[in-house]
Amino acid sequence: EVQLVESGGGLVQPGGSLRLSCAASGFTFSSYSMNWVRQAPGKGLEWISYISSSGRTIYYADSMKGRFTISRDNAKNSLYLQMNSLRAEDTAVYYCARDSFSGSYYLDYWGQGTLVTVSS
Amino acid sequence: SYVLTQPPAVSVAPGQTARITCGGNNIGSKSVHWYQQKPGQAPVLVVYDDTDRPSGIPERFSGSSSGNTATLTISRVEAGDEADYYCQVWDRSSDHYVFGTGTKVTVL
Repeated sequence: EVQLVESGGGLVQPGGSLRLSCAASGFTFSSYSMNWVRQAPGKGLEWISYISSSGRTIYYADSMKGRFTISRDNAKNSLYLQMNSLRAEDTAVYYCARDSFSGSYYLDYWGQGTLVTVSS
Repeated sequence: SYVLTQPPAVSVAPGQTARITCGGNNIGSKSVHWYQQKPGQAPVLVVYDDTDRPSGIPERFSGSSSGNTATLTISRVEAGDEADYYCQVWDRSSDHYVFGTGTKVTVL
């Protein structure tokens, strides 16, 4: 069974940093591209970043580029999101999601999410 | 940047058909995917590649896409279908995932 479990969320002050982790199991992690998606309270889904299976190809949403860094450790079956210079508007539930293997770019499995609250 | 527009809300009586639209420039030339999200839960893929269903998704969920509009159709709506629904495409010009604005489906 495919499982994605996010961790690392919590309360952080504006301007602070946080590193999110996503532990993957139930599939060959090193074969799949991965993504981070967030959802602010009461709002819609917002894609953050994509990383290829090898980690060599990375894409970011324009609004997050320069502040957020996606990475992965295939030996540890883990995906990461380093978030710096956090703002109140970054408050959201952060999901990791597996990219389909088909080349059509859709997200076939999602974690349950971890809540990040940016507030003083 | 590529924009996907959905109606904020759709209401439907049990047993009837709900149609949720997703508008985007020449969306018919892209692969469209749909997600269902119930309150407090993660999104779940219900349709991919315009018309295909993942295993475990009822046949009542179907999709279509042409021109500037893609549509998710839910037939014989049940109370358990009440949720937010999002369309999504991959924008090759920017290498970005793009999600629609979301539609809240209410079962009357």
